[in-house]
Amino acid sequence: GEDVEQSLFLSVREGDSSVINCTYTDSSSTYLYWYKQEPGAGLQLLTYIFSNMDMKQDQRLTVLLNKKDKHLSLRIADTQTGDSAIYFCAEKGSGYALNFGKGTSLLVTP
Amino acid sequence: GAVVSQHPSWVICKSGTSVKIECRSLDFQATTMFWYRQFPKQSLMLMATSNEGSKATYEQGVEKDKFLINHASLTLSTLTVTSAHPEDSSFYICSARDPAGDTQYFGPGTRLTVL
Repeated sequence: GEDVEQSLFLSVREGDSSVINCTYTDSSSTYLYWYKQEPGAGLQLLTYIFSNMDMKQDQRLTVLLNKKDKHLSLRIADTQTGDSAIYFCAEKGSGYALNFGKGTSLLVTP
Repeated sequence: GAVVSQHPSWVICKSGTSVKIECRSLDFQATTMFWYRQFPKQSLMLMATSNEGSKATYEQGVEKDKFLINHASLTLSTLTVTSAHPEDSSFYICSARDPAGDTQYFGPGTRLTVL
């Protein structure tokens, strides 16, 4: 299938904001998702956005969607060391399965 | 949020043996479950879509006779890796679709190591 693109690595200082970017491929995707994966663990759904929305905020998380550019971003405010993980963006592909990006490794330093 | 469990969480087996992995949705009925495979530092790759009461739909390049999927009830899907080989070593993750909210919930994954 076509690729969902993400930058592979991001490093931020504790307390700063993190912004993880993603470019998706299917303009007909109805939902776009952000998942978090900690080492050796499964995926935790962080948030999702419906395609008719431009922005969604949930506590420290803000998702921005630019449908024209097929660009999705996840902003984590006041990033903590516990936020260090791999973050995957995903679009709903054909049927109900998800197409994942390769993941962005977020490292939060004290 | 909804809970999806997998069992076992990790397994080590000898080459040539078969391994069964279970995926359960604990608090909702999942008509559709998905099986993904993840290699180290890679993304999740969809292997197959499992529909309750019918045959699974496999992605291109995935051998259906090697990766047997059974979705016998609305809360359980199983993946059996038959005649496992070292190249089958991977992290297998299932997900279950909650039709109520059209959201997928992922299991914690199963680490398979084939010696």
